[in-house]
Formats: sequence, C-alpha cells, structure tokens
Amino acid sequence: ETGVTQSPTHLIKTRGQQVTLRCSSQSGHNTVSWYQQALGQGPQFIFQYYREEENGRGNFPPRFSGLQFPNYSSELNVNALELDDSALYLCASSLLAGGPNTGELFFGEGSRLTVL
Amino acid sequence: DAKTTQPNSMESNEEEPVHLPCNHSTISGTDYIHWYRQLPSQGPEYVIHGLTSNVNNRMASLAIAEDRKSSTLILHRATLRDAAVYYCIPKSGTGGTSYGKLTFGQGTILTVHP
Repeated sequence: ETGVTQSPTHLIKTRGQQVTLRCSSQSGHNTVSWYQQALGQGPQFIFQYYREEENGRGNFPPRFSGLQFPNYSSELNVNALELDDSALYLCASSLLAGGPNTGELFFGEGSRLTVL
Repeated sequence: DAKTTQPNSMESNEEEPVHLPCNHSTISGTDYIHWYRQLPSQGPEYVIHGLTSNVNNRMASLAIAEDRKSSTLILHRATLRDAAVYYCIPKSGTGGTSYGKLTFGQGTILTVHP
C-alpha cells in the first residue's frame, strides 16, 4: 500500500505565472483535500474533492482551482501567482464511506512553492 | 469552527511522559476532537481522536474532560522522534463537505531533550 505522494517537491515561479501541483492519493481513498501552509503557520484548508467534484472550499480566491481524476489522483492549479502564494502545499487523502465524519486524513510531504 | 487554545511550546526529557493540553470551550456536541502532529519537513500525521470517552492507541492516549471543553494528549514515554508540532482540532462528525477539512491552529511545539 503506497502513501500519498506529491510532485514536484520544490519549485520556483515568478509573479503572474501559473503552477500545477500533483497528488496521488493513498490506495483505496476517494477524497482528496488541499492545504496551504505558510512558514511558521498551521496548514489552511483550500478545498476538497470527492467523486471528481469540488464539494467543500476554504477562504481562497477562484484563481485556486483543482481537479480530481477517476483514479482519485488530483491537481491543484494556481493562476496569476502572487508573492504571498509562497508556501508549502499539502495534499491529504481519506476514505469517505458514510457514517460519522471521523476518518483520518493521510498527508503527503508537500510541494514547496517559492514565488519571486 | 470551534476555537482552540494550546501552549505555544513545551519541553520534555526523553522517556518521560508528556501531557499536551488543549482548550476548546466552544466545541459543539457533534465535534470529535482530533490530534495531529507535524514532524519537521513532513506533512501532518494523525495521532488520535475521540468524542467523549478517553481513548488509547499505540501512539498516545487522549483524555477528554467531562464537559468536553478541554482535552489532553498524553505521550507515555517521549522519544526524540516525538519532537513535533502538535495540533488539537475539533472536527465536525457530520457533513460530507467537511470531511477533508481540518482547521489547524498554531499548535504546540514539543521539544524532547536526550
């Protein structure tokens, strides 16, 4: 059983550019969520995807968008990059299977984005 | 989302017990209390969760106050590998749209001395 993997691990972009980050969910998981973690802060929820549709979103502008594919892998896209978008982007997968909302999330190690 | 208050930092010696407190006085009746930790240069890692009763697993124990307004994560014998930021997170027990959502605070930085 493989864990959550993210790519790339590090990347540098310039202001105004666009970036795509990728995430492979843990085997058997059907839900993926994305988080932004600024230096010295806790992760902040961006959105989650279930059955290839976004069904929950945090306080992030529309230039943050995503996709979930039939194999449950996912992408996070950020357009018109700003300096404040520099952060660690974390992907987490989980299994939504009904019942109480108590399942644990499995996080990848993140993609560190630097915007110059 | 319920607000949480945790100490900014705590220190422990190796092989001693560690009690990490968390106040969550605005927790709702359907919120479970989750704990995650984040080791340096890694993503967060699930530790334990509970609703009303104390819980034990291979990593830690969770003691929940009777009024549920506070909880304590207990590491029975700290190791150097336990040095991390520990987050206490009330999480709704209902609602698919919040399934993948965790609201992280600042957490407690745990330092373990050899």
